[in-house]
Amino acid sequence: DAKTTQPPSMDCAEGRAANLPCNHSTISGNEYVYWYRQIHSQGPQYIIHGLKNNETNEMASLIITEDRKSSTLILPHATLRDTAVYYCIGLHSTGGTSYGKLTFGQGTILTVHP
Amino acid sequence: DTGVSQDPRHKITKRGQNVTFRCDPISEHNRLYWYRQTLGQGPEFLTYFQNEAQLEKSRLLSDRFSAERPKGSFSTLEIQRTEQGDSAMYLCASSPTGTGYHEQFFGPGTRLTVL
Repeated sequence: DAKTTQPPSMDCAEGRAANLPCNHSTISGNEYVYWYRQIHSQGPQYIIHGLKNNETNEMASLIITEDRKSSTLILPHATLRDTAVYYCIGLHSTGGTSYGKLTFGQGTILTVHP
Repeated sequence: DTGVSQDPRHKITKRGQNVTFRCDPISEHNRLYWYRQTLGQGPEFLTYFQNEAQLEKSRLLSDRFSAERPKGSFSTLEIQRTEQGDSAMYLCASSPTGTGYHEQFFGPGTRLTVL
């Protein structure tokens, strides 16, 4: 699975968009980009994933560059409850041998302030 | 609440004691994972079950660790002769079998403190 690089921490004002970058320059053609977050004292929570196209769901948007070497998770209107550690993970499809195990890095600590 | 439960939520034990944790996944999920998370680090994969079969074990899982999923439903993780270095949050996750989709549902974790 691809190694990912994220900034250690970011700040965002409540109500503004939070844009969390991730570099995954070694990602292969069949690796998805997954984002999870972990709020303090809770287990990680799935946010969104994508392969090539940009994706949007009720939680966030995922923008993947055309060369797929980086991506950005966008929380359009951050709230205080979005304060968490955000993890970007590269993962092969189920057809591979990874069995879907997640390899978490250090992630980005996002702090949303009033 | 994701539907994955873990018991106990907290465990304090003395070095050398054995401990066992339980995970109840979402009922229709075939896949079950155990992860360990130490302070300030992301979770680390320990082991994976598809139904009752343990298909992958991390090198982190020393001989003192054993995991089971006897009927393909709940799972247990046992640590024998605990050491202070075993102090961590132990997380369980489950997911359905599918293609190209790895949304894992995590439980709240069991926090182990070894004195």
